[in-house]
Amino acid sequence: KQEVTQIPAALSVPEGENLVLNCSFTDSAIYNLQWFRQDPGKGLTSLLLIQSSQREQTSGRLNASLDKSSGRSTLYIAASQPGDSATYLCAVSIGSFGAGTRLTVKP
Amino acid sequence: DGGITQSPKYLFRKEGQNVTLSCEQNLNHDAMYWYRQDPGQGLRLIYYSQIVNDFQKGDIAEGYSVSREKKESFPLTVTSAQKNPTAFYLCASSISRLYNQPQHFGDGTRLSIL
Repeated sequence: KQEVTQIPAALSVPEGENLVLNCSFTDSAIYNLQWFRQDPGKGLTSLLLIQSSQREQTSGRLNASLDKSSGRSTLYIAASQPGDSATYLCAVSIGSFGAGTRLTVKP
Repeated sequence: DGGITQSPKYLFRKEGQNVTLSCEQNLNHDAMYWYRQDPGQGLRLIYYSQIVNDFQKGDIAEGYSVSREKKESFPLTVTSAQKNPTAFYLCASSISRLYNQPQHFGDGTRLSIL
């Protein structure tokens, strides 16, 4: 069974910092990996989807990479802003989610 | 705007009662999913449906039931057999259950016990 781990569970940074969120998974036979953002009490908003054949995807200040052989993905956020404060979750294929990293960006 | 609508936003269940959570989508997606989210844990898959009149159990289906009579609708019933129903329930959809398709989520229903 696929196990997905996100470390750290929480992260607090000052505004303007570049930061990296980590996602690791145990079974490298994946179809895709999707990064989501969740605001308190809300549903999930899709940020980036990386297909298994891809190495990375970019959208604005966000860049996600995928290394299937090592079972890792990273989400890079450039020039963080207070509005980036949320919980970030990764999902491997469909149905396997990490517990998320709660990010706080301080003004 | 296309999207997924979940209702109600908050729901309370009494002892021995069944309750039904609504999920409607106007994205013309074939596949729909129900997840449960508990504090500090990742989402866990309850049920999914790939097409109308078909659905499959996920990892934690016990105490839950679903139906898929219309493409747009995938209601979830939390039965009295589910002994720990307090959680945040999320409905999602994707174009199909082919594994290269992204999932889209509703805003969730928070279920509590009275």
